[in-house]
Amino acid sequence: KAGVTQTPRYLIKTRGQQVTLSCSPISGHRSVSWYQQTPGQGLQFLFEYFSETQRNKGNFPGRFSGRQFSNSRSEMNVSTLELGDSALYLCASSKGQVPGELFFGEGSRLTVL
Amino acid sequence: GQQLNQSPQSMFIQEGEDVSMNCTSSSIFNTWLWYKQDPGEGPVLLIALYKAGELTSNGRLTAQFGITRKDSFLNISASIPSDVGIYFCAGQLNFGNEKLTFGTGTRLTIIP
Repeated sequence: KAGVTQTPRYLIKTRGQQVTLSCSPISGHRSVSWYQQTPGQGLQFLFEYFSETQRNKGNFPGRFSGRQFSNSRSEMNVSTLELGDSALYLCASSKGQVPGELFFGEGSRLTVL
Repeated sequence: GQQLNQSPQSMFIQEGEDVSMNCTSSSIFNTWLWYKQDPGEGPVLLIALYKAGELTSNGRLTAQFGITRKDSFLNISASIPSDVGIYFCAGQLNFGNEKLTFGTGTRLTIIP
C-alpha cells in the first residue's frame, strides 16, 4: 500500500518568490493536513482539508494557502517567501476513523535564501 | 503557535535501559497521542489514548492519559538501537477535527 507522497522533497527559493508543494494521500484517505516543522517551533499545524473543503486552519499568515482536489490530492502554496519560511513541510492523510491517526509523508524541505 | 511542554528535551541512555518522558498542557485534550520520527522521515503513530486515566501498551511501549486530561507519559522498556529518534506527544481536542497540537519533542540517543 503506497504511503503519503510529497513532492518535491527538496527545494531552494529566494526571498519574495512563491512555492507550491504537492501531497498525494494514501488511497481512500479524504483528509489531508499540513504541518510546518522547524527546529525552534517544532510541528505547527497549518491547515486541514476534507472533501475539498478547508476544515481547520492554524495561526499562519495569509501567505500560506492550500487546496484539495476531487481526488484528495492537496497542494499548499506560500507566496512572498521569507527567510523564516525555511522549514520541513509535512503532509499527513487520514481516513478519519481513528482519532489522531495521521499518516505522514517524508516532507518537503524548503530553504529560503 | 500553541505547543505542549515535553520533557526531557533529550536523553542519552545505554541499550537495555528504560526510558520515561512526559508531556503537559495548560488546556485539556480528548485524545493524547505519541508519535516517533526517524531521521528523514515523517512522524509515525506509536500509541493513541482516548480516555482519562487510560493506560495502553504497544510492545515495549506504555503510555498513560493523565486523569486531568492535561498530561500524558510514555515509557519505553529495555531500549534497543532502533528506538533512537525523536518522540512527540500530541493532543487532539475533537475527533473529526484533525488538528493536532504537538509537543516540543524528546530526542533519544543510545550510547554504545
